[in-house]
Amino acid sequence: NAGVMQNPRHLVRRRGQEARLRCSPMKGHSHVYWYRQLPEEGLKFMVYLQKENIIDESGMPKERFSAEFPKEGPSILRIQQVVRGDSAAYFCASSPQGWNTGELFFGEGSRLTVL
Amino acid sequence: SQQGEEDPQALSIQEGENATMNCSYKTSINNLQWYRQNSGRGLVHLILIRSNEREKHSGRLRVTLDTSKKSSSLLITASRAADTASYFCATERTQGGSEKLVFGKGMKLTVNP
Repeated sequence: NAGVMQNPRHLVRRRGQEARLRCSPMKGHSHVYWYRQLPEEGLKFMVYLQKENIIDESGMPKERFSAEFPKEGPSILRIQQVVRGDSAAYFCASSPQGWNTGELFFGEGSRLTVL
Repeated sequence: SQQGEEDPQALSIQEGENATMNCSYKTSINNLQWYRQNSGRGLVHLILIRSNEREKHSGRLRVTLDTSKKSSSLLITASRAADTASYFCATERTQGGSEKLVFGKGMKLTVNP
């Protein structure tokens, strides 16, 4: 049973480029969550998605960031025109049901470095 | 406001000793969870305690929850070097009309062999 798969594990981008982070949830999980972690910090909620729907994007910056979870394929977190402040670890988690039903299963994260 | 503040920020102990980590929060919660993160890795769920529970055990882990004081503690007994990691408490609550799992900044535990 594969866990939550994230790729790439490491991504280096120059300012102004685009970053695309992918997340395949655990088998049977239809709920996906994206969190961002700055060095020595906790995780900050960004967005919660179900298949083809954004349930809660209250933690997403209004500009440059977008997320999707299509009917087929992985969830994608897209950051356009990256800036140095976007450098962070981005974690995806999944669960079989939504909030208040138990633990989240996390991937190993995608570490974005913006030069 | 910061939800899920772990205390202390860092703890260094010897193998075999017990480690206690505390977590405080500010608003009503549905449940509280503890996660562990090894350096450079993802988070791993340790234990969940619901708002109507006071104590829970899992192996060498013991979690307490005091909703009147809005605080929780995680006790790791007979610590091992392999327990060295960052530990996060996360509170599941309603914020802005929607539910979320909100993480604290974490606490670094070092267990010296």
